[in-house]
Amino acid sequence: EVQLVESGGGLVQPGGSLRLSCAASGFTFSSYWMSWVRQAPGKGLEWVANIKQDGSEKYYVDSVKGRFTISRDNAKNSLYLQMNSLRAEDTAVYYCAKDLGGGGVFGGPFDYWGQGTLVTVSS
Amino acid sequence: EIVLTQSPGTLSLSPGERATLSCRASQSVSSSYLAWYQQKPGQAPRLLIYGASSRATGIPDRFSGSGSGTDFTLTISRLEPEDFAVYYCQQYGSSPAITFGQGTRLEIK
Repeated sequence: EVQLVESGGGLVQPGGSLRLSCAASGFTFSSYWMSWVRQAPGKGLEWVANIKQDGSEKYYVDSVKGRFTISRDNAKNSLYLQMNSLRAEDTAVYYCAKDLGGGGVFGGPFDYWGQGTLVTVSS
Repeated sequence: EIVLTQSPGTLSLSPGERATLSCRASQSVSSSYLAWYQQKPGQAPRLLIYGASSRATGIPDRFSGSGSGTDFTLTISRLEPEDFAVYYCQQYGSSPAITFGQGTRLEIK
């Protein structure tokens, strides 16, 4: 059974940092693109970043470029999101998502999602 | 960046009726890399359709997707009570930037 379990969320002040983790199991982690997707309270879905199987390609939504860094450790079956210079508008539930595979050149769509971890940026 | 616009914003229907949800892209979505998701309150999204018309594993055949280029449709042939939720379209093949539509809320009339 595929499982994605996020952790690391919490309350942080504006300008602060957090590192999110996603522990994957039940599939060959190193064979799939992985993504982070967020959802602000009461709002829609926003793709944040993704990373290729070997980590050689990484892409970001414009609003987080230069502040967030996605990474993975295939030996530990883990995905990470380092978030720096956090802003109030980064407040959201952050989901880790697995690629279906065989889709777009740049990854997607997402066939499994974690339960999400809430990041709140507030003073 | 490809912008996806979903319509209507809210759709009010009764169980047993047919639902038609629209997703329009600001430019052509290459190779029909268009997906649809269902999200219920407090839950993560669930993949329904990918490649514009392929059903994901375990998705009932009352869900179908169609379209190409800039216009795509999700059809639910006969609504079941569990189908009332928010639906999002997503494009994932045309550029590094993956984007979602703003969502359509399907509510019970």
